[in-house]
Amino acid sequence: EPEVTQTPSHQVTQMGQEVILRCVPISNHLYFYWYRQILGQKVEFLVSFYNNEISEKSEIFDDQFSVERPDGSNFTLKIRSTKLEDSAMYFCASSGSGTGPYEQYFGPGTRLTVT
Amino acid sequence: AQSVTQPDIHITVSEGASLELRCNYSYGATPYLFWYVQSPGQGLQLLLKYFSGDTLVQGIKGFEAEFKRSQSSFNLRKPSVHWSDAAEYFCAVGIMNYGGSQGNLIFGKGTKLSVKP
Repeated sequence: EPEVTQTPSHQVTQMGQEVILRCVPISNHLYFYWYRQILGQKVEFLVSFYNNEISEKSEIFDDQFSVERPDGSNFTLKIRSTKLEDSAMYFCASSGSGTGPYEQYFGPGTRLTVT
Repeated sequence: AQSVTQPDIHITVSEGASLELRCNYSYGATPYLFWYVQSPGQGLQLLLKYFSGDTLVQGIKGFEAEFKRSQSSFNLRKPSVHWSDAAEYFCAVGIMNYGGSQGNLIFGKGTKLSVKP
């Protein structure tokens, strides 16, 4: 069964450093998303991406964040200068037009720890 | 503002007992509703969804949920819980973006389910 994959599973970085989180969505999906979950809190929407551009972003997704689909398979989230409060689990998700744009399939997540 | 409330943070049930996890939503339009499950160290797995039609929807692993518009609820049920059902369960509402072409999900805080032998 096709699935969304994410790498790395755990990333530790120092405050102020740049990190790139990688995702490989399900191959025939068209819509891509990033969410995050701070420990003990709810899963929060960050950004959605379609047709090579951002279609929606939350107020969390400020200028420190960017997304890119550098090739036909990867979808990345970059944090330019990490802060302690960026420590969270980051989930990538994708959905395809055939199943409806809201039926999102999630990857296993990348746990980001900023020290 | 749109929101999802899961009033129970942690529920413990005995194996074989029935289960109901509560979910209430606040959304102005017709909601798209979902239940996801997260096992430790795993991602979010879609259990079931409601888009329209029959208000009782069946999902994977023997779960079902009932949409009640009058109560703004979408409670998840299972008649007989198995030890492998121990996990965290998230209710979510799909928010339509401008133009209706794509939406993001708003999640509740989750309910952790423990199963006693």
